[in-house]
Amino acid sequence: GAGVSQSPSNKVTEKGKDVELRCDPISGHTALYWYRQSLGQGLEFLIYFQGNSAPDKSGLPSDRFSAERTGGSVSTLTIQRTQQEDSAVYLCASSLLPSGVGEQFFGPGTRLTVL
Amino acid sequence: RKEVEQDPGPFNVPEGATVAFNCTYSNSASQSFFWYRQDCRKEPKLLMSVYSSGNEDGRFTAQLNRASQYISLLIRDSKLSDSATYLCVVNSETSGSRLTFGEGTQLTVNP
Repeated sequence: GAGVSQSPSNKVTEKGKDVELRCDPISGHTALYWYRQSLGQGLEFLIYFQGNSAPDKSGLPSDRFSAERTGGSVSTLTIQRTQQEDSAVYLCASSLLPSGVGEQFFGPGTRLTVL
Repeated sequence: RKEVEQDPGPFNVPEGATVAFNCTYSNSASQSFFWYRQDCRKEPKLLMSVYSSGNEDGRFTAQLNRASQYISLLIRDSKLSDSATYLCVVNSETSGSRLTFGEGTQLTVNP
């Protein structure tokens, strides 16, 4: 079956522009996560959606970052007024069960470069 | 102190070698533990969960020591295809439902 998909695969933008990154989780997965990974670094948690519950936004680094999940499926991560330090690979993952119980399946990521 | 710390690596070993990775975690309330594998420029994938009694999957053995807050991964008879970065991952209720990833240990298996 289809895995987690993300688009675009690569995004180059100018400092100060807004970007939207999209994630399509595996069908039926109730949990969805966003992470970012800078070059040579580990994964940094950004935000977690579980069903209809309020999202866990504790990892968002600033108010320039926001995310939504429409209809319990597709999610969009928006970065406003991008900065060079936002350059990273943004990974989306989904799981059938909540974190800690179910395996997280990752998408291929969106590589964001802010010039 | 980081929540999850791993051997910095990189590890370079010959084919057939046995290699062990160590990981420590700071949150004593942590409840679930995993090893993920990440190939170069690819997404992470679950390698194995880590259970209290220790568990084995083929050439891979994971151990957990709750008293020392320590997790290990042992790879026996390493193959070229084992070359990757190995991520130690921890979940605790006090951190909500998110997983905390270590920065990973890079392994290169040489012919």
